[in-house]
Amino acid sequence: QVQLLQSGAELKMPGASVKVSCKASGYSLTGYYLHWVRQAPGQGLEWMGWINPDSGYTNYAQKFQGRVTMTRDTAANTGYMELSRLTSDDTAIYYCARDSSTFCDYWGQGTLVTVSS
Amino acid sequence: DIQMTQSPSSLSASVGDRVTMTCRASQSISSQINWYQQKPGKAPNLLIYSTFSLHSGVPSRFRGSGSGTEYTLTISSLQPEDCATYYCQQSFSTPLTFGGGTKVEIK
Repeated sequence: QVQLLQSGAELKMPGASVKVSCKASGYSLTGYYLHWVRQAPGQGLEWMGWINPDSGYTNYAQKFQGRVTMTRDTAANTGYMELSRLTSDDTAIYYCARDSSTFCDYWGQGTLVTVSS
Repeated sequence: DIQMTQSPSSLSASVGDRVTMTCRASQSISSQINWYQQKPGKAPNLLIYSTFSLHSGVPSRFRGSGSGTEYTLTISSLQPEDCATYYCQQSFSTPLTFGGGTKVEIK
């Protein structure tokens, strides 16, 4: 069955970077776009961008341009999202989600990233 | 960016009640709207895509409707397991945007 398994929780200092992984199973990563969405504590959902794992092409939300990098390792069937220059406002749960033609049909379990000194 | 305004932000209803929530887009999104259910501590789950289509395994008491800029999610007979927050999301253009959510509680 289709699953997206994300890496574990992270605690980072302000100014640092974090890299979250999202391993796909039950399907080929290159067959579907992969979105990244975050959710701050007690808040709603915020789209960060997507990657076409086949070509590597990315589309980032303007808010994160210059700070976010989405990549993939097709051999490992894994996608990655790296966010740099972290501040306390980046404390959130980060989700990866598979795009099945305009909607996200499978989601990872989420990765909590806490930014604190 | 397309703004998605969801209402109400919360509601409380009894088991068996019909429940309706609305999402208004800042411009026409040509029926490119999806609805997700999120329970506390869990990832969102897809309920309905492209306005009307029920995702696999979703109970038929969930129904989506609408057009243009106005869209609705209806639960025909509220069940205890429907306690959750519901989000709409437009997929008409990037950046993809979500509504602020409607939290559904049981009276």
